[in-house]
Amino acid sequence: AQKVTQAQTEISVVEKEDVTLDCVYETRDTTYYLFWYKQPPSGELVFLIRRNSFDEQNEISGRYSWNFQKSTSSFNFTITASQVVDSAVYFCALSEGNTDKLIFGTGTRLQVFP
Amino acid sequence: DVKVTQSSRYLVKRTGEKVFLECVQDMDHENMFWYRQDPGLGLRLIYFSYDVKMKEKGDIPEGYSVSREKKERFSLILESASTNQTSMYLCASSWTEMNTEAFFGQGTRLTVV
Repeated sequence: AQKVTQAQTEISVVEKEDVTLDCVYETRDTTYYLFWYKQPPSGELVFLIRRNSFDEQNEISGRYSWNFQKSTSSFNFTITASQVVDSAVYFCALSEGNTDKLIFGTGTRLQVFP
Repeated sequence: DVKVTQSSRYLVKRTGEKVFLECVQDMDHENMFWYRQDPGLGLRLIYFSYDVKMKEKGDIPEGYSVSREKKERFSLILESASTNQTSMYLCASSWTEMNTEAFFGQGTRLTVV
């Protein structure tokens, strides 16, 4: 069965610190997709990234980067030089190749203090 | 821009009432989803729909039903609301191309008293 684990419930950092949010997944499929979403205080989930199981290249988008490692079933998310606007709940999610259903982790609340 | 709109931001209902949560999307998406979000539990899938009049149970369908009579609208129904259904409800939609990202509404915070 598929499962997503975000072991960090809450992380607090001071502005400009780097922070990594962990995500570990379980699936029996060889084809699957991994996602990160951001949920700011307004409540609406915002899509950040989608990665398929055949593409292990790391991705960088501005201050955001993602490290996908199939060997450890992890898809970690790093924010470099964090800012107060990064404060939100971040969700990692998984969908298997034969379905559009998203299975979410429990989320990590990130608080960035000035 | 894709827009997923949920009819209410906040709702307060009484135990035993029949409750309708409405969701409309404007991008002609085939897939629509209802999730429930609770602290420490993340988002859990209640029901989803791949097409008009098609529906499938998610992980926690008990106490809920859904209706999709038109492609753009997906309704979640609580037949007889109970206090343990107090939660944040999130609607989402996506294209039918496998595994594209889902777009979410702003959520409805339902309180059952």
